[in-house]
Amino acid sequence: DAKTTQPNSMESNEEEPVHLPCNHSTISGTDYIHWYRQLPSQGPEYVIHGLTSNVNNRMASLAIAEDRKSSTLILHRATLRDAAVYYCILRDGAYSGAGSYQLTFGKGTKLSVIP
Amino acid sequence: DTGVSQDPRHKITKRGQNVTFRCDPISEHNRLYWYRQTLGQGPEFLTYFQNEAQLEKSRLLSDRFSAERPKGSFSTLEIQRTEQGDSAMYLCASSFRDRGLNTEAFFGQGTRLTVV
Repeated sequence: DAKTTQPNSMESNEEEPVHLPCNHSTISGTDYIHWYRQLPSQGPEYVIHGLTSNVNNRMASLAIAEDRKSSTLILHRATLRDAAVYYCILRDGAYSGAGSYQLTFGKGTKLSVIP
Repeated sequence: DTGVSQDPRHKITKRGQNVTFRCDPISEHNRLYWYRQTLGQGPEFLTYFQNEAQLEKSRLLSDRFSAERPKGSFSTLEIQRTEQGDSAMYLCASSFRDRGLNTEAFFGQGTRLTVV
């Protein structure tokens, strides 16, 4: 899987929007962009994923650059519960047959939310 | 079914002892994964099962590690002759593959192993 680059840490004020960037300049045409987050003392949790178009769900929005070399996870209104490590992961959607859903995690971005 | 369940949540063992962890995936999920996470790092893939078949193993999975998933339901991960370097959080995840489409992985809360 192609590599991603994220800032080590970010801070946000509670109830403010948060934009978490991810660079993936070597992304291939079949790579999906996945975001997971890991709250303290918990396992990772799926947030959102997309291929080319921007995506929205109840947790967040994913904005994907036109050239797909970067993306941004948007939390519309940060709460204290959103304090976590956020991982941006590329997953080859062309991988088929008996292939796994193996995820290659980096170090992610540690998001702190200030009350 | 409330999610992926792992047991125990914490394990302290002496170096050289064997330990076994259990993972109960979400019941309809046919895929099961084991990951290891050390402090300050993201999870690292160890191994993957589709139903009862172990289809992928990472080079991180040394000969002292063995995983099973009998009958394609729960899975166990055993570490023999534990070493201090085995101290980590061991995470289990499950997902469902249907008609060639992969769904997201659901992770358990992990088993934290401390080797003293």
